[in-house]
Amino acid sequence: RKEVEQDPGPFNVPEGATVAFNCTYSNSASQSFFWYRQDCRKEPKLLMSVYSSGNEDGRFTAQLNRASQYISLLIRDSKLSDSATYLCVVTRPSGGGADGLTFGKGTHLIIQP
Amino acid sequence: DAGVIQSPRHEVTEMGQEVTLRCKPISGHNSLFWYRQTMMRGLELLIYFNNNVPIDDSGMPEDRFSAKMPNASFSTLKIQPSEPRDSAVYFCASSLVERGPQHFGDGTRLSIL
Repeated sequence: RKEVEQDPGPFNVPEGATVAFNCTYSNSASQSFFWYRQDCRKEPKLLMSVYSSGNEDGRFTAQLNRASQYISLLIRDSKLSDSATYLCVVTRPSGGGADGLTFGKGTHLIIQP
Repeated sequence: DAGVIQSPRHEVTEMGQEVTLRCKPISGHNSLFWYRQTMMRGLELLIYFNNNVPIDDSGMPEDRFSAKMPNASFSTLKIQPSEPRDSAVYFCASSLVERGPQHFGDGTRLSIL
């Protein structure tokens, strides 16, 4: 099993719809989780951290399921500007070295008018 | 506030030439990361520094790659000699703490002919 896995998509979603995608991780000792957004030919930008109790930021909701080892991102009332690639990041406890910081390959989301 | 600053933005050079990529992290950030991104392999961590000290360079592809961080405000990634398969986008990122959210520079688009 890969350390961090994401469905590459693309997810084609009509504007205004709700879309959700997951990211699974293999190391049960993973401690910190983030969602990043990357637009075409741009740098990744932090979208939100993922907290154990789940957290919301406007139309975006992130959740963590430790038992099943996945994090999720839900986007409500999707906008055309939400079209991007969404990367999840999973870190491990100290001592993990460079392998302690792992990006998924991303899920490509296309919002259609 | 200034973000992570990378230079050059684009680099096109012939194989065999030395390439030097530069990065200025966000002031006050203690950790600096170098990544390479390609369509095939996604975003790969090459090396990261904590308090100017290289923590793990196991992501560096081979001896042709080297990275330095002589002080808290500057880092370089060198490729010598360069090869066509090194063509990619190279990102530098910094974070306040080692496993905290990372802030990326605009990247250097490197093409080796």
